Amino acid sequence: QKEVEQNSGPLSVPEGAIASLNCTYSDRVSQSFFWYRQYSGKSPELIMSIYSNGDKEDGRFTAQLNKASQYVSLLIRDSQPSDSATYLCAVGNTGNQFYFGTGTSLTVIP
Amino acid sequence: DAGITQSPRHKVTETGTPVTLRCHQTENHRYMYWYRQDPGHGLRLIHYSYGVKDTDKGEVSDGYSVSRSKTEDFLLTLESATSSQTSVYFCAISDTGSGNTIYFGEGSWLTVV
Repeated sequence: QKEVEQNSGPLSVPEGAIASLNCTYSDRVSQSFFWYRQYSGKSPELIMSIYSNGDKEDGRFTAQLNKASQYVSLLIRDSQPSDSATYLCAVGNTGNQFYFGTGTSLTVIP
Repeated sequence: DAGITQSPRHKVTETGTPVTLRCHQTENHRYMYWYRQDPGHGLRLIHYSYGVKDTDKGEVSDGYSVSRSKTEDFLLTLESATSSQTSVYFCAISDTGSGNTIYFGEGSWLTVV
């Protein structure tokens, strides 16, 4: 069983603060790591992908990967009310199999 | 826009009736997937396909069948719908190669009454 674990939240942060979302995975041979944002009633939307250890920045988003600790995180800087959504962590392997966490609900309070 | 179209987007059906959901892609991706998403369970894989006529089961395949006769189309059939199959169904696609990423369609909301 390939497991991806996330805190379900809800996580609340004030507008302008940094939101920190965390994810752990069980399969040590996982190759690719993703964060998706899902608004209520909508489909998951890819916001970040990361494949090697370290940080990857894209605008206000930073993904961090530590394969030794089997840990992936997402930082959202200068959080906006429009960032309020559920964030899904996903892990992929070389066989194009993908495993998803149950998501963390984020609310940004104006 | 990942070039994925699901139909129907919303459907209400009666218990015991067969239902088919269609997924159509314009990206020529090799892999196609059907997931269902339910509160507290996240996204769960029903079936996936790795090529025309090549399919395999996911973790929640009971009561579902799939077919892929063309690269661009992947059909999910509920053979005899039950209330436990009320859910939102997402089709997804991915391709081979480094940096493979999975992209989702807009979802099909199914209610079985």
